[in-house]
Amino acid sequence: AQTVTQSQPEMSVQEAETVTLSCTYDTSESDYYLFWYKQPPSRQMILVIRQEAYKQQNATENRFSVNFQKAAKSFSLKISDSQLGDAAMYFCAYTVYMEYGNKLVFGAGTILRVKS
Amino acid sequence: DAGVTQSPTHLIKTRGQQVTLRCSPKSGHDTVSWYQQALGQGPQFIFQYYEEEERQRGNFPDRFSGHQFPNYSSELNVNALLLGDSALYLCASSLRFRGQETQYFGPGTRLLVL
Repeated sequence: AQTVTQSQPEMSVQEAETVTLSCTYDTSESDYYLFWYKQPPSRQMILVIRQEAYKQQNATENRFSVNFQKAAKSFSLKISDSQLGDAAMYFCAYTVYMEYGNKLVFGAGTILRVKS
Repeated sequence: DAGVTQSPTHLIKTRGQQVTLRCSPKSGHDTVSWYQQALGQGPQFIFQYYEEEERQRGNFPDRFSGHQFPNYSSELNVNALLLGDSALYLCASSLRFRGQETQYFGPGTRLLVL
């Protein structure tokens, strides 16, 4: 089954604190890519971070980092030094390769609220 | 570097009508994918185009069709609109080569069917 589970519908964090968003997925592939996208109320889906499944090293982009556990099919996002601009819906997704192309499979999202 | 653009931003239609949504990919990208995002949910894959052909399709009826032009831009057409087609329609562009398929999204078109 091609599924992504984000078990936290909503999370809150104090400005300057750290928050972790959870994601688990189901795939039988060994080679794939995982993503976290951010969707603010303006609705533009923005790429936050990408992880290649064959790389053991966790990806990092400035204040954003992931904890990738391939055997457990877990891919959590850690946001350090949270800022008001981080408030958004966060989607976890992975690439499914098909016969002639590929698609992204998304989770249902986690709303992140940042308190000042 | 121009990102992915979509038009129009909003659209209101009535049941039974037809609609066309447009997408221009990020500069240098040759592949366009379309997604439907219902309110409060994650995007669902509709189909993917490259080399002006539909290459992959998700679980959407034939009322949903598309086109890709030689300049890589794309259209999504929906016929015989239903109330349930009300959603945000997202276009994403990428390169077709394995390892370079990171998809970058446009701002979306909000469709309301009355």
